[in-house]
Amino acid sequence: KQEVTQIPAALSVPEGENLVLNCSFTDSAIYNLQWFRQDPGKGLTSLLLIQSSQREQTSGRLNASLDKSSGRSTLYIAASQPGDSATYLCAVSGNTPLVFGKGTRLSVIA
Amino acid sequence: DTGVSQNPRHKITKRGQNVTFRCDPISEHNRLYWYRQTLGQGPEFLTYFQNEAQLEKSRLLSDRFSAERPKGSFSTLEIQRTEQGDSAMYLCASSLAIVENTIYFGEGSWLTVV
Repeated sequence: KQEVTQIPAALSVPEGENLVLNCSFTDSAIYNLQWFRQDPGKGLTSLLLIQSSQREQTSGRLNASLDKSSGRSTLYIAASQPGDSATYLCAVSGNTPLVFGKGTRLSVIA
Repeated sequence: DTGVSQNPRHKITKRGQNVTFRCDPISEHNRLYWYRQTLGQGPEFLTYFQNEAQLEKSRLLSDRFSAERPKGSFSTLEIQRTEQGDSAMYLCASSLAIVENTIYFGEGSWLTVV
């Protein structure tokens, strides 16, 4: 059974800092990995999708990497801003629909 | 097209009552998913459809839950005889049936059972 773990559970950083969120998964037989953002009480917004054959994807200040063999992914956020404050969720897709981690709650302090 | 739409956004119901949620996916998407999320947890898979066929159901989907997608477009999720443990956000998502495709989520429907 696929399990997804995200570390840390919560993170607080001053504005402008670069930061890394971690995601690990137990079954490396995945099709792709997605990072989502969730604001309180809201739905999920897709940030980046990495196919299993890819090593990384970039969108603006966000960069996500994937090491399928070791079952790890990282989301790098450059020059963090207060507007980045949200919960970030990692999810993997394989023989079953998306399996999510519990998320990392990020607070960026002005 | 503005994305995945869910209604109602919030529902408060008394224990034992039935509730129904509706999801309208992105129009060209043939896959539709239902997830449930409680506070501090990631979304948990409930079921998904490809066109009108329900292809997979989680063990979380007890006999009190039923989902339909009668014409391969919108979907409904009904919970019968609600219990307090059903209180959660119910998320709908849609995608094309290719592995390279991003899954898009709606804003969710909050259920509170009192």
